[in-house]
Amino acid sequence: DTEVTQTPKHLVMGMTNKKSLKCEQHMGHRAMYWYKQKAKKPPELMFVYSYEKLSINESVPSRFSPECPNSSLLNLHLHALQPEDSALYLCASSQATGTGDAEDTQYFGPGTRLTVL
Amino acid sequence: AQKITQTQPGMFVQEKEAVTLDCTYDTSDPSYGLFWYKQPSSGEMIFLIYQGSYDQQNATEGRYSLNFQKARKSANLVISASQLGDSAKYFCAMRERTILPNAGGTSYGKLTFGQGTILTVHP
Repeated sequence: DTEVTQTPKHLVMGMTNKKSLKCEQHMGHRAMYWYKQKAKKPPELMFVYSYEKLSINESVPSRFSPECPNSSLLNLHLHALQPEDSALYLCASSQATGTGDAEDTQYFGPGTRLTVL
Repeated sequence: AQKITQTQPGMFVQEKEAVTLDCTYDTSDPSYGLFWYKQPSSGEMIFLIYQGSYDQQNATEGRYSLNFQKARKSANLVISASQLGDSAKYFCAMRERTILPNAGGTSYGKLTFGQGTILTVHP
């Protein structure tokens, strides 16, 4: 079962709000990812967690704070966002075989559509 | 420089016909993976097919096949017998090794996507 769930589906927040996006997978994957996708653009990698440790941060502003409480959960904490941060936020997971083969395929969740007012 | 190039912003195909979506890539790493994902208007990225750089044969998954021409650095997606439900945006993506200098290892986590091709299937 290749299922990654994300909540909420939609989120509207003001620039002074603090909110969190949640991602969950039960496939036994040990790598989890956050991507940001602006309208009509491809997804862009933000963060990679491998075995619950942050392994890649693509120079993301500190107003985005990731957290991986356990191997099944990935959160993205949002604080003092700007209107240009409005986008579709996609979570993905994969096995972390370290071999780069087909088993490391990333499976995505349905995304959270974020609007910052 | 773009690592993944999809030159077709939009494609149209008649139901039940085959269609080819183009993808070229650029890398100097001999070990890489190529992926195709489908994104319907709902937003979810759906994995379709994978091709490893060392794979000798072209990948196939049901109605999807990948025409892998390594010397030309192309990885075109062929969809046979198109269905109305195939209408979506299709992304080609490449995964390369990333050196993790602070972790003493490598990661295969970084996926780079092309700009995508919007496929419309006509009845």
